[in-house]
Amino acid sequence: QAQLQESGPGLVKPSETLSLTCTVSGGSISGYYWSWIRQPPGKGLEWVGYIYYSGSTNYNPSLKSRVTISVDTSKNQSSLKLSSVTAADTAVYYCARIRGAFDIWGQGTTVTVSS
Amino acid sequence: EIVLTQSPGTLSLSPGERATLSCRASQSVGSNYFAWYQHKPGQAPGLLIYGTSNRATGIPDRFSGSGSGTDFTLTISRLEPEDFAVYYCHQYNNSPWTFGQGTKVEIK
Repeated sequence: QAQLQESGPGLVKPSETLSLTCTVSGGSISGYYWSWIRQPPGKGLEWVGYIYYSGSTNYNPSLKSRVTISVDTSKNQSSLKLSSVTAADTAVYYCARIRGAFDIWGQGTTVTVSS
Repeated sequence: EIVLTQSPGTLSLSPGERATLSCRASQSVGSNYFAWYQHKPGQAPGLLIYGTSNRATGIPDRFSGSGSGTDFTLTISRLEPEDFAVYYCHQYNNSPWTFGQGTKVEIK
């Protein structure tokens, strides 16, 4: 079964860009949709957006002006960029595969926005 | 945006008891596009139910989902020690996809 692993800086300064990578192992990124979901401390889950392996995207309108999700099929990776971050973007960020619902999730990576 | 409201916020039960979790949507959700997840601290959320009533791979049959329209239910027939966790409902019918705020099932 495919496994997902998020990676990236754990600390980002306010107004800068958060950049995370999701590496897929044990399976191919091709043929599937891939999503990013986040969970702020003490709060519930928030869908950030998704990308099809061919590159088409759909973003949460609440983040659309600041978010970019991309895919690199040669590296079997999906990437998330979130610009102009504030403390409200502090969260655990998960990547997940979409087969209807989110059927496989990564362990998540904690990102703190602080100077 | 479809708002999902879960109740109760916390459910205090003993192992062996039945758990009934509810999720109400602010507008109708197609049955094919509704899911439940289990989330334990420090772990990734795991898919339990998709398409309202279909158990995901490896999910024991003590977990069942039902509902339609705006009202959906997750039932755990007999709680096992490993079932104490937070449960989230999720709709993927309309964008933006949304989650409920979660129901914590705790040991009484």
